[in-house]
Amino acid sequence: GNSVTQMEGPVTLSEEAFLTINCTYTATGYPSLFWYVQYPGEGLQLLLKATKADDKGSNKGFEATYRKETTSFHLEKGSVQVSDSAVYFCALSPKDTGRRALTFGSGTRLQVQP
Amino acid sequence: DGGITQSPKYLFRKEGQNVTLSCEQNLNHDAMYWYRQDPGQGLRLIYYSQIVNDFQKGDIAEGYSVSREKKESFPLTVTSAQKNPTAFYLCASSMRLWGYEQYFGPGTRLTVT
Repeated sequence: GNSVTQMEGPVTLSEEAFLTINCTYTATGYPSLFWYVQYPGEGLQLLLKATKADDKGSNKGFEATYRKETTSFHLEKGSVQVSDSAVYFCALSPKDTGRRALTFGSGTRLQVQP
Repeated sequence: DGGITQSPKYLFRKEGQNVTLSCEQNLNHDAMYWYRQDPGQGLRLIYYSQIVNDFQKGDIAEGYSVSREKKESFPLTVTSAQKNPTAFYLCASSMRLWGYEQYFGPGTRLTVT
């Protein structure tokens, strides 16, 4: 079946540091890939997405590239801010049928210190 | 503004009582979902619905029930059969069931004592 593996957190960085959160996936075919962000006590917000190989999703300074050859979708940001502190979820959705429409990773907590 | 609303934000119930959580969307999405999130954990799928009058069990459906009588609405009932109902409940919707991003509501935190 489909699965998503994320690096375990928490990830603790100083403000303006470079961020990478690793995400790899297992799926048949070519799923759509997503990064979601969850701030404390809130629902999930879609951060960015990519629907085919070599697509780059970007939003608010965050980027991730759909790498079919390495089945990865790592999240990066060049300079993090305290306000980026949150939990980040990688997810995939198969384009055809399947029992589960969206498979999530376990989430990675990011803590940015001033 | 289009979006998903969940109410209430916080809900308190006594053990043994059924409780219904509301979820409404005005995005004209066909598919809707309910997830449960426990502290420090990821999301677990409770139920999902592809179209009106159709819904399927997710990974942890026991002790929960849903209905989908209108495209916009997908209420979740937490029954007294749910052994550990205290959790954060998230509703989501997407244009179709597969291949599309899901949009989430703000969540309902249910506490049962």
